[in-house]
Amino acid sequence: EAAVTQSPRNKVAVTGGKVTLSCNQTNNHNNMYWYRQDTGHGLRLIHYSYGAGSTEKGDIPDGYKASRPSQENFSLILELATPSQTSVYFCASGHGTGSGNTLYFGEGSRLIVV
Amino acid sequence: GQQVQQSPASLVLQEGENAELQCNFSTSLNSMQWFYQRPGGSLVSLFYNPSGTKHSGRLTSTTVIKERRSSLHISSSQTTDSGTYLCALERNAGAKLTFGGGTRLTVRP
Repeated sequence: EAAVTQSPRNKVAVTGGKVTLSCNQTNNHNNMYWYRQDTGHGLRLIHYSYGAGSTEKGDIPDGYKASRPSQENFSLILELATPSQTSVYFCASGHGTGSGNTLYFGEGSRLIVV
Repeated sequence: GQQVQQSPASLVLQEGENAELQCNFSTSLNSMQWFYQRPGGSLVSLFYNPSGTKHSGRLTSTTVIKERRSSLHISSSQTTDSGTYLCALERNAGAKLTFGGGTRLTVRP
């Protein structure tokens, strides 16, 4: 069973502070993704990666950075957190080989920026 | 405009009733995926369906590329089916997904 683990699961941050959301997958998947989910917007892609050392901008990358230091780990970094970044963040991984590219999601990280 | 639109936004059923959830897309696609999200929880893949019809238990997914639509049929609904169902468009092979807004399903006993 694919396993994607996110940390922290819950975080309260102050405006202007730095927040790092971490994601670890144990399935040797090439692709990893960070989404945020908000009422009225569904899931929106922030950053993604095709493998260690690679990061790509998704649909809403502004205000976020990403880091993929290894196959297993993919971090989302908010250098200067703002209240508009209050959301639930989901990490996902997938083989990225087209056919059968099922995504496996983590449990989500709930971030509140005050 | 929104590339992936789901309907209805919400649906309430009595246990045992069937449901038909729709997903319409306005761009070309490599594949369509359906996910289930339990309340307050993570997403679980239900179907990876590039075209045609796929079955899994009480669930059936049908994707018709020419008509730019995909549907998820739930037969004999159960209270445990309650949650949000999301479709996601895979724009090119092995790449990123674009999600619809979801259908929130409530099945009452």
